Amino acid sequence: QSVLTQAPSASGTPGQRVTLSCSGSSSNIGRNTVNWYQQLPGTAPKLLIYSNHQRPSGVPDRFSGSKSGTSASLAISGLQSEDEADYYCSTWDDSLTAVVFGGGTKLTVL
Amino acid sequence: QVQLVESGGGLVKPGGSLRLSCAASGFTFSDYYMSWIRQAPGKGLEWVSLITNSGDFTKYEDSVRGRFTISRDNAKNLLYLQMNSLTAEDTAVYYCARDYMGGGSGSYRPWGQGTLVTVSS
Repeated sequence: QSVLTQAPSASGTPGQRVTLSCSGSSSNIGRNTVNWYQQLPGTAPKLLIYSNHQRPSGVPDRFSGSKSGTSASLAISGLQSEDEADYYCSTWDDSLTAVVFGGGTKLTVL
Repeated sequence: QVQLVESGGGLVKPGGSLRLSCAASGFTFSDYYMSWIRQAPGKGLEWVSLITNSGDFTKYEDSVRGRFTISRDNAKNLLYLQMNSLTAEDTAVYYCARDYMGGGSGSYRPWGQGTLVTVSS
């Protein structure tokens, strides 16, 4: 049971905009910034979004992040087949004094 | 380029020990916090441990505290994870990762390719 809650699966068609959510609590998302990762099959995770909405260099602007209260979202616009992957959110939890991850959302591009 | 390469994984019996290494290159290793993160087969990501850039402070996930020890050698650009009293629940791919924003923010870039640890009799 992950501290951060993500839907197990999501899907979309090419060109569509999809939004993935990450729900937490006042001790984690409510007080700290959120990060998002993309994990393609058989590869290591890649940082997509940090500090709620910042993109590291090289990450396309089709990916955007936001946070409100104790929830965060990752939006992917202009969905492409290569976006089919697992997506994870993470943050620091002040009560656990630990980094916590969501359980991940498997995104399927139909 | 910035790179992390893990080694030391393998098959170990329950109760056994293993030491993982992570070789860093392409950046000033001593400037960055580092972490170990694991992923059990078919499961999600689980943070294991972090160490400050100087090595003077460490933090562990509850299930590994007292069994695992994170350390670093800044002169050799190496990060380690000593794992003792291993159980089947420790079976996972172990990734080392560089802290991107600092201070245990949970943002990591880059990640190594991972090394598989299998605990089985």
